[in-house]
Amino acid sequence: DSGVTQTPKHLITATGQRVTLRCSPRSGDLSVYWYQQSLDQGLQFLIQYYNGEERAKGNILERFSAQQFPDLHSELNLSSLELGDSALYFCASSVRRGSEQFFGPGTRLTVL
Amino acid sequence: AQSVTQLGSHVSVSEGALVLLRCNYSSSVPPYLFWYVQYPNQGLQLLLKYTSAATLVKGINGFEAEFKKSETSFHLTKPSAHMSDAAEYFCAVTEKTGANNLFFGTGTRLTVIP
Repeated sequence: DSGVTQTPKHLITATGQRVTLRCSPRSGDLSVYWYQQSLDQGLQFLIQYYNGEERAKGNILERFSAQQFPDLHSELNLSSLELGDSALYFCASSVRRGSEQFFGPGTRLTVL
Repeated sequence: AQSVTQLGSHVSVSEGALVLLRCNYSSSVPPYLFWYVQYPNQGLQLLLKYTSAATLVKGINGFEAEFKKSETSFHLTKPSAHMSDAAEYFCAVTEKTGANNLFFGTGTRLTVIP
């Protein structure tokens, strides 16, 4: 158990819908990262937050957005879903730059 | 730009044999390097990390990796494979300054043959 929690574990929805994925970092970790794992794209970095502020953006689509709240939990919002958005979405947290990132168990999103 | 290349998407070894998983990085400056393992239907677990201290890094479950700047490599090894080592292994790199998001390789699936 990494100490990072993600909900829900599985999510099945239809094209065009909007979903929210939730992540709680390890106690004391200020940084939260979101990654997408798919068969065709592999593991890709989406976005990073540090203590409530966006720190870095990767290959995140404009239909996707995220935020980190004062209690440090984070949410990833995916809208206008397409079949190609079906993937595993991981959240990770770390205490500081360069330190290891601890990954949550992931949310498996299936878009039908 | 940071990137890693993992040679061999699938590696099979016999139980008790040496495990060697290859990773080469591309970076203008020596980065931080990591190996993660992913078991089926689970998240990623850190095996070991290189952060510019000792070039030979020991990790969990008997794995180790050696940072070789001249070869831009960070190969993962284990002297004797165990059935429980069957999983997917990812090499990852991050820069020492700025955002430290991870750039992952494409992964190597390790099969251990009894």
